[in-house]
Amino acid sequence: KAGVTQTPRYLIKTRGQQVTLSCSPISGHRSVSWYQQTPGQGLQFLFEYFSETQRNKGNFPGRFSGRQFSNSRSEMNVSTLELGDSALYLCASGVGQGVRETQYFGPGTRLLVL
Amino acid sequence: DQQVKQNSPSLSVQEGRISILNCDYTNSMFDYFLWYKKYPAEGPTFLISISSIKDKNEDGRFTVFLNKSAKHLSLHIVPSQPGDSAVYFCAANSPNYGQNFVFGPGTRLSVLP
Repeated sequence: KAGVTQTPRYLIKTRGQQVTLSCSPISGHRSVSWYQQTPGQGLQFLFEYFSETQRNKGNFPGRFSGRQFSNSRSEMNVSTLELGDSALYLCASGVGQGVRETQYFGPGTRLLVL
Repeated sequence: DQQVKQNSPSLSVQEGRISILNCDYTNSMFDYFLWYKKYPAEGPTFLISISSIKDKNEDGRFTVFLNKSAKHLSLHIVPSQPGDSAVYFCAANSPNYGQNFVFGPGTRLSVLP
């Protein structure tokens, strides 16, 4: 079974621009979560989608948004990029039938904002 | 304020010896904990979990211990192997968090041959 895939793997943007990241979950998985990883901060939860609905949300500003499509693929969008948005963005998928289930992570998209 | 802390940014251990990675949490509502391992350029990989109804869970060379009164958990790797060299993340969850797992900042483990 193919794992979680994320595209692109690397991205360079400038302040003020917007960016869209994509995540394809493991086949059969309906839950997709997004995390931001920065040095010294660990992984910080952005949001979780299940069946095209945002089911849970972390404490990030409204510039961070996401969506999920009927095939469970998810996109994350960051508008008006700031230097502090430079990070590794990780997507994780799960079956989604209950809480506390194991999440399977993709390799991440490394975003650099100049 | 970090709810999940891993106070050792790095740890070096000799091959064959025991590696002990520590994690502390502040939120008493956390009742489910996981450890993930991360290699460079890869996403985190699930290692082992423990629920608060237990104080120990074992899977091969990996054992997680939970001390609820101290709000502390630890991951023991015995024996340590060079392939275990990676960053280890502790994560916690509470019933009202859904799939939102709160991660610690990670500990980089180096196993020396």
